[in-house]
Amino acid sequence: DTEVTQTPKHLVMGMTNKKSLKCEQHMGHRAMYWYKQKAKKPPELMFVYSYEKLSINESVPSRFSPECPNSSLLNLHLHALQPEDSALYLCASSQPQGRSSGANVLTFGAGSRLTVL
Amino acid sequence: GQQVMQIPQYQHVQEGEDFTTYCNSSTTLSNIQWYKQRPGGHPVFLIQLVKSGEVKKQKRLTFQFGEAKKNSSLHITATQTTDVGTYFCAGLNDMRFGAGTRLTVKP
Repeated sequence: DTEVTQTPKHLVMGMTNKKSLKCEQHMGHRAMYWYKQKAKKPPELMFVYSYEKLSINESVPSRFSPECPNSSLLNLHLHALQPEDSALYLCASSQPQGRSSGANVLTFGAGSRLTVL
Repeated sequence: GQQVMQIPQYQHVQEGEDFTTYCNSSTTLSNIQWYKQRPGGHPVFLIQLVKSGEVKKQKRLTFQFGEAKKNSSLHITATQTTDVGTYFCAGLNDMRFGAGTRLTVKP
């Protein structure tokens, strides 16, 4: 299995809602990532988990709360979002940084397209 | 911190013409990766360059890593409509992507 699966594919939520984005991989990768991508822009790094521990938080607002329950799953909990948070949210996984040639090669999921009304 | 600049932002070519996108970093990169994102799709890994001066080829695509490991290029020979998409470089010191070059190909 060489896929990263993200659910839901599309999500529409109001500013007072609480929702979650989910990501799953079964490639044995021990690093998982959340990226945010606005239209015609590059993916923007949000969070990195390495061995289930949060290793990078790119000063993301607290209305985004990541969670890594185990080595295969990554969640992004959403609460009190703003319309400007509407974007494509991409999950990726990789082997952690290291000397192996495959380290840091990102495998992306198809993304969750979020619309905040 | 590290900043990877990518040019051009857009490139429109006639099918059969060549295409090149360039990445430049303000700092030395341990390695650089290239990804392609089709319209409506997600980034897909193309290649990783690690060694100074490295050149790798994938069919009509040629990837180069500069001697100083601060710049890289992707060259496509004789573009096809299937090449349409946005090409990103990523300096994987910190998992950040360049701005991308959006390629459109006129048949």
